[in-house]
Amino acid sequence: DTAVSQTPKYLVTQMGNDKSIKCEQNLGHDTMYWYKQDSKKFLKIMFSYNNKELIINETVPNRFSPKSPDKAHLNLHINSLELGDSAVYFCASSPGLAGGIDTQYFGPGTRLTVL
Amino acid sequence: AQSVTQLGSHVSVSEGALVLLRCNYSSSVPPYLFWYVQYPNQGLQLLLKYTSAATLVKGINGFEAEFKKSETSFHLTKPSAHMSDAAEYFCAVTKEPGNQFYFGTGTSLTVIP
Repeated sequence: DTAVSQTPKYLVTQMGNDKSIKCEQNLGHDTMYWYKQDSKKFLKIMFSYNNKELIINETVPNRFSPKSPDKAHLNLHINSLELGDSAVYFCASSPGLAGGIDTQYFGPGTRLTVL
Repeated sequence: AQSVTQLGSHVSVSEGALVLLRCNYSSSVPPYLFWYVQYPNQGLQLLLKYTSAATLVKGINGFEAEFKKSETSFHLTKPSAHMSDAAEYFCAVTKEPGNQFYFGTGTSLTVIP
C-alpha cells in the first residue's frame, strides 16, 4: 500500500499552459505539504495544510494554488507555466502540526518539465 | 531564524570506510533535528531524528548522529559504507509544532567499490 502517492509521475508541457498535480495520503495524517526540489537538489517548502486549512504559505508566485478538498488530499494547480517552474515537486504528510518532532512522509515526486 | 548548513555537497568514500556527513544548525532555542535520505528517483525518507531525549541518535541502516550543542552540530555517521548507501542526504531543522522545516542543501554520497 502506497502511503503518499502523487500523480502524474512525469509531466511535460509547454510554457503558458495550466497543469495540476494530485497528492493523496492514506496514513490518516492531519498535515500535508508541497515542496519544490530544483535541479541542484535544493528542497524548499511551498505550502502546508493542516486539516484542510492553509498554515504555511511561503513566498510562491500566486500562479501556484493549492487545494485541499479533504485532509487526505492536497492538490497543486499551476497557471501560466514558466520555464523556471521545471523541477521535481514532492508532496509529504505528517501526523500533527507542521514542525515539531513529527516525521514527514514523502511521495515519490512529480517531475515537471516546461518546454 | 533557523537554518542548517551542510558542509560538502559531494562526499565520496570507499566501500567499508567510515561515512561522515556534516550538518551545523543555527537556532535560538534547542531545535529538533532530522536526517533524511533520498535514493535516486525517489522521495525522501527519515533516517533518524533528535528530539532532546538522547544526544546520540541511532537510525535505520546503521546510521547514527550525535547532537553537540557546544558545536551546534548534528553530524551523520556510519562505521562502514555500503554500496546501497549511495544517495542524497538532507539535514533538516524545526522547532515546536507550527514551525516549518528548513532543509539543508543536501550532500550527495558516492560509494566507491
